[in-house]
Amino acid sequence: SQQGEEDPQALSIQEGENATMNCSYKTSINNLQWYRQNSGRGLVHLILIRSNEREKHSGRLRVTLDTSKKSSSLLITASRAADTASYFCATDGGGSQGNLIFGKGTKLSVKP
Amino acid sequence: KAGVTQTPRYLIKTRGQQVTLSCSPISGHRSVSWYQQTPGQGLQFLFEYFSETQRNKGNFPGRFSGRQFSNSRSEMNVSTLELGDSALYLCATRDRPANTEAFFGQGTRLTVV
Repeated sequence: SQQGEEDPQALSIQEGENATMNCSYKTSINNLQWYRQNSGRGLVHLILIRSNEREKHSGRLRVTLDTSKKSSSLLITASRAADTASYFCATDGGGSQGNLIFGKGTKLSVKP
Repeated sequence: KAGVTQTPRYLIKTRGQQVTLSCSPISGHRSVSWYQQTPGQGLQFLFEYFSETQRNKGNFPGRFSGRQFSNSRSEMNVSTLELGDSALYLCATRDRPANTEAFFGQGTRLTVV
């Protein structure tokens, strides 16, 4: 079953604009991760934010985590056509379980 | 460091056949997990192995099985294939079982006809 739910399901923007994607999850977490997937290919890890962190940056990416609302957001600033992909949030199964539980993803399209 | 290697990349099988997919992890990664991705169900966890032991299993029928070898390479097997097994199968490896980033292979695209 899906732990996270991304919102929106699809997002279309122009190059240079910012893109914001949201993720909500159901249970308590140790960390939350964001991944990117280009069409039909493997997932690439973008960023991991631990439950005791509120915000994390990596290049043009900014992730926030609100454990009281069980939600996270991913902001991509100054987007590029190459950012076109699907973005997924994922949480660990809990404890030492190694399964990641993914949301259904946000499909981002950046138009040149 | 070489990435996660999945073979084959593409596979077409007939209903009722069986299939074996392979995953070679990044050197030093002993945790290997498998996921099934379909348009309808999204990314679903199949199973996870660490040091040759299955630690966790998702909600899939017994036709789906896997194993891990002493060199951490992993295989998954699907027997008696059904049309609904058509999917992208992804392998992910980590240096420890949880709470760290996962590295994914490019996946095996299985089509059952």
